[in-house]
Order: sequence, then C-alpha cells, then structure tokens
Amino acid sequence: GNSVTQMEGPVTLSEEAFLTINCTYTATGYPSLFWYVQYPGEGLQLLLKATKADDKGSNKGFEATYRKETTSFHLEKGSVQVSDSAVYFCALRYFGNEKLTFGTGTRLTIIP
Amino acid sequence: GAVVSQHPSWVICKSGTSVKIECRSLDFQATTMFWYRQFPKQSLMLMATSNEGSKATYEQGVEKDKFLINHASLTLSTLTVTSAHPEDSSFYICSANSRDRVNNEQFFGPGTRLTVL
Repeated sequence: GNSVTQMEGPVTLSEEAFLTINCTYTATGYPSLFWYVQYPGEGLQLLLKATKADDKGSNKGFEATYRKETTSFHLEKGSVQVSDSAVYFCALRYFGNEKLTFGTGTRLTIIP
Repeated sequence: GAVVSQHPSWVICKSGTSVKIECRSLDFQATTMFWYRQFPKQSLMLMATSNEGSKATYEQGVEKDKFLINHASLTLSTLTVTSAHPEDSSFYICSANSRDRVNNEQFFGPGTRLTVL
C-alpha cells in the first residue's frame, strides 16, 4: 500500500539555520505530493505541493522537489525564522482521489 | 477564507458516555468532509469520508457503530464517539473540501482532543 515516511523529530535549530526535513514515499504510479504545516493551536495548512516528477513546490521560502528516482520530497528552507516553529506533515494523494496519506509529522522548533 | 472550525477543542468524559464533536466550514460550502484520528507521534489516520446528505464511507477497521458520522448540511458534520472507552482517547481532526475549488484542496480544523477516563 501507499505510505509516507518522514524523519523523526523533534528538530531544533537556531534562527537563520538551513532546514531539511526528509520525506520519502512508497506508492504505485504518480501521486501528487504535499507538505502541510500545523502551527500551535491551528489546523493543518497546505504549505506547498508538486503534482509530477521534477516539479518544485515553493511557498514562504520553503521548497521541495518531486524526485521520482529517489521517491522523495524533502522540505528545505535556507534561513529559518522563529515563526517557522510548527509541525510539518508530508503527504501524498492520487489525482481524482480525495484521500490523503500522511507521514507522522516532524516538530520543528526554532530558537532565537 | 476557507476556515474550518471544530467544537469542542478538548473534552474529558467518563467511560461509557458518548461524545459529539462538531466540524463546521465557516466561509464555504463543503462537498465532502473527512474525519481523521491522530495518536501521539503517529500520522493522521483517515477514519471516514462523508458527503452531505449521504452515509459516510468508513475506512477498513473503523467501527461505524462506534463512530457515528452525520453530515446534515454543506457546512456541518458531526462525529459521535458512542460508549467511549479509554482506548478511544485521541486527537480527532476534520477537514473539508470546498465545492468551489477544482483542485480538491482539503482545509483542516484545529482538532479536538478527547480524553476518556
């Protein structure tokens, strides 16, 4: 079946550090890939997405590239801020299917 | 726009009682609503999918008589945990698709933490 594996957290970084959160997936065919972010006390929000191989999703300084050859969708940001502290979820979904398959989430804490 | 609320945000109940959780789309009409369950340090597990005016579709392993879902309108879905037991303690999250958006983006509520004593 389909599955998403994320690096385990928590991850703690200093402000302005470089961030990578790894995400790999197991799926047949060509799913769409997503990163969601959950800020404290709020619901999950779509951060970025990519719908086909080699696509790069980007938003708020975050980027992730759909790598079919390595079945990965790693999240990166060049310089994190305290406001980026949140839980990040990687997910996949097939076109025409509403169901999302999530990873376990990675808690990120940025220290001033 | 596209805000989803849940009520209550947390609830503590005694074993054997039933608990109702509401999920509302505040500024859009939802064709489909989803209910997830999240255990500590685990991913969100889809429990069921509900469409307004029809019966919910439950995922394998989810007891439909235990977790009653009612989707009475395009802005409200409810999840009732019947005869709750301590193993039902969890974080319950709903999401909704907007009927006006073609890409089927899901908008998530903030979640409800249920603790059964």
